[in-house]
Amino acid sequence: GNSVTQMEGPVTLSEEAFLTINCTYTATGYPSLFWYVQYPGEGLQLLLKATKADDKGSNKGFEATYRKETTSFHLEKGSVQVSDSAVYFCALSISGGYNKLIFGAGTRLAVHP
Amino acid sequence: GAGVSQSPSNKVTEKGKDVELRCDPISGHTALYWYRQRLGQGLEFLIYFQGNSAPDKSGLPSDRFSAERTGESVSTLTIQRTQQEDSAVYLCASSSNIDTQYFGPGTRLTVL
Repeated sequence: GNSVTQMEGPVTLSEEAFLTINCTYTATGYPSLFWYVQYPGEGLQLLLKATKADDKGSNKGFEATYRKETTSFHLEKGSVQVSDSAVYFCALSISGGYNKLIFGAGTRLAVHP
Repeated sequence: GAGVSQSPSNKVTEKGKDVELRCDPISGHTALYWYRQRLGQGLEFLIYFQGNSAPDKSGLPSDRFSAERTGESVSTLTIQRTQQEDSAVYLCASSSNIDTQYFGPGTRLTVL
């Protein structure tokens, strides 16, 4: 079946530290991959996406590269800020007409000054 | 324009009661999705609407759960005879293409 596994949190970092949140997937077919973010008290927002192998999605200083050989889509940011504190969800969808998303369990990030 | 809205934002109910959760998608979005987020877990897909029809209901956990959509707009998720394990945040999303879903703020349901 199709599934997403992401590293457990919480992840606690100091401001300006480097961030990596690991995400691996299992999928039949050729999935699109997404990172969503949920800031405290807010709804889920799309952070970035990649629709085919070797594509790199980027937004707000975050990046993730679609690696088919390792079935991974790790989220990285070179220098985190306190305002990046949120829960991050990795997700996939299987192409084929519509976009049912399959989510990982989420990783909580806390950034301290 | 306005985003996806959901009501109520919070609902507390007693076990065995029925509840209705409402979703107003972004105007013009033909696709609508319901998800459930249990505490500390990721989102689980419940049902997908294209227009007013639901080609994929595979995520509905039991026959106590049903959903409808009218006028290619508002959708209602109904849970009958609620149980404590139904407590979760119920999220609605809408989309105009196959790549990007826009999520509402969710309805937090607590079943006592």
